[in-house]
Amino acid sequence: AQSVTQPDIHITVSEGASLELRCNYSYGATPYLFWYVQSPGQGLQLLLKYFSGDTLVQGIKGFEAEFKRSQSSFNLRKPSVHWSDAAEYFCAVGANTYGNQFYFGTGTSLTVIP
Amino acid sequence: DAGVTQSPTHLIKTRGQQVTLRCSPKSGHDTVSWYQQALGQGPQFIFQYYEEEERQRGNFPDRFSGHQFPNYSSELNVNALLLGDSALYLCASSFRTGITNEKLFFGSGTQLSVL
Repeated sequence: AQSVTQPDIHITVSEGASLELRCNYSYGATPYLFWYVQSPGQGLQLLLKYFSGDTLVQGIKGFEAEFKRSQSSFNLRKPSVHWSDAAEYFCAVGANTYGNQFYFGTGTSLTVIP
Repeated sequence: DAGVTQSPTHLIKTRGQQVTLRCSPKSGHDTVSWYQQALGQGPQFIFQYYEEEERQRGNFPDRFSGHQFPNYSSELNVNALLLGDSALYLCASSFRTGITNEKLFFGSGTQLSVL
């Protein structure tokens, strides 16, 4: 069965510091992997996605993620965090190529301190 | 160009009642998916509608039903509400149904509280 684990419920970083949010997935086939961000009162916004090819993917707002098949991981990184990055971050795995059925992790809440 | 719009934004119901949530997809989109996001959890897939038919369904009871209209808008209906149905309900729209579709947009959601 498909599942996504985000081990860190909450992370606090200083503005300007680097960030890494962890994501581990369980899926029997080649996964389609996504990172979404959700600000309070807002819907989900796609940060980046991995379908195939280069395992290091670039997204919006300076985020990147690296797919590591051997570790079943898809960690999200940003070299320098801005106060506006404070939000909830969700990792998701796509179940198949028919239908937008995503399996989401429980999310990581990011707090940025000045 | 309006994105995905959902109504109402907030709703309070009592146990046993029925509720209808509405979603208008982004212009040019023809596929609507519904997700339930309980407090402190990630969104869970309820079902997806394309060409006015339910195409895929997650692990939700039959109390959850939906509809898609010819203009691609959609409704989510929940009957016999339980306290556990309290959640943020998200609608997502896209053009066609493939998961590799890049253009998947989420609405801001309807916050449902069941008392």
